Amino acid sequence: SQQGEEDPQALSIQEGENATMNCSYKTSINNLQWYRQNSGRGLVHLILIRSNEREKHSGRLRVTLDTSKKSSSLLITASRAADTASYFCATEPGNTPLVFGKGTRLSVIA
Amino acid sequence: ETGVTQSPTHLIKTRGQQVTLRCSSQSGHNTVSWYQQALGQGPQFIFQYYREEENGRGNFPPRFSGLQFPNYSSELNVNALELDDSALYLCASSPIPGSTYEQYFGPGTRLTVT
Repeated sequence: SQQGEEDPQALSIQEGENATMNCSYKTSINNLQWYRQNSGRGLVHLILIRSNEREKHSGRLRVTLDTSKKSSSLLITASRAADTASYFCATEPGNTPLVFGKGTRLSVIA
Repeated sequence: ETGVTQSPTHLIKTRGQQVTLRCSSQSGHNTVSWYQQALGQGPQFIFQYYREEENGRGNFPPRFSGLQFPNYSSELNVNALELDDSALYLCASSPIPGSTYEQYFGPGTRLTVT
């Protein structure tokens, strides 16, 4: 079963705009991770946020985590055409393997 | 430091056949996980191997089996292939078992069952 659900399923923006993707999950977690996947290839780890953290930054990426609402968001600022990809959130419910959502397909138009 | 590699890149099999997919983990990583990703879906966990022993299994039938070797490389074997087995198969390595740390994914093997 897929615990994480990303929203929206698809997002199309102009280069330079910000992109925000959301993830909701069902059970308590130890950590939440965001991954990027280009054109059906392998996933690339973007950022990991632990359950006791509320916000993390990495370059143009900002991730927030609200454990009371069981939700997370990924913000990509000043998007580029190269950011076009599918983005997945993955949760670790507790000493178990990662559970992925269905992903958000982001298209950045130059 | 070498990344995770998988072979073959693409594979076409007939229903009922058997297939073996291979994965070499990142240098220094002793844990390998396998995932199945159907078109338009997120990856689904198949199983994980840690120091040559299975360390957790997802909701997949016994015809999905695996091995991990002393050098921490791994194989995924699927018997009696079904059309629904058509998917991208991803392996991921990590320095410790579980999911406390990030997973390093290989490029995947695209399996088509006809």
